[in-house]
Amino acid sequence: EVQVVESGGGLVKPGGSLRLSCAASGFSFSSYSMNWVRQAPGKGLEWVSSISSGSHYVDYADSVKGRFTISRDNAKNSLFLQMNSLRVEDTAVYYCAREGGVIIPLDYWGQGTLVTVSS
Amino acid sequence: EVVLTQSPATLSLSPGERATLSCRASQSVRSYLAWYQQKPGQAPRLLIYDASNRATGIPARFSGSGSGTDFTLTISSLEPEDFAVYYCQQRSNWPPMYTFGQGTKLEIK
Repeated sequence: EVQVVESGGGLVKPGGSLRLSCAASGFSFSSYSMNWVRQAPGKGLEWVSSISSGSHYVDYADSVKGRFTISRDNAKNSLFLQMNSLRVEDTAVYYCAREGGVIIPLDYWGQGTLVTVSS
Repeated sequence: EVVLTQSPATLSLSPGERATLSCRASQSVRSYLAWYQQKPGQAPRLLIYDASNRATGIPARFSGSGSGTDFTLTISSLEPEDFAVYYCQQRSNWPPMYTFGQGTKLEIK
């Protein structure tokens, strides 16, 4: 069974840092691109970042570029999101999602981890 | 950057009725459009990809159509568990990113 489980969320002050993790199981992690998507309280979905299977290609939403860094460890079936210079508007549930293939977008999602940025 | 606009914002229907949700792209996305369902407190679930292909395990009452800039998600006969928020989504090659529509809330009338 395909599973992705996020962790690392919590309360942080503006300007602070947090590192999110996503543990994957049930599939060949090293063969798939992975993504982070977030959802602010009561709002819609916002794509944050993606990373290719071998880490050669990374992309970011303009809203997080220069502050967030996506990475992965294929040996440990893990995905990460390092978030620096956090802002109040970064408050959201952060989801880890697998990219299914060329025409199959985000086919498996974790349950999310809540990041709250507040003083 | 492609903008996706969903309509209506809220759709009020009864179980057994047919639901038609719309998603319009600001420029052609060919057939690279997907639909997701999200229930309160849950992660989104992929329903449709490449405009008209049902994802694994999705019931046949869900269907997608369209190409270019206009897309439709149809639920042929609503079940109680179908009342949720629905998002359309596309991926662009440049700039490389995913874009979501703002969502349509399907509520019980």
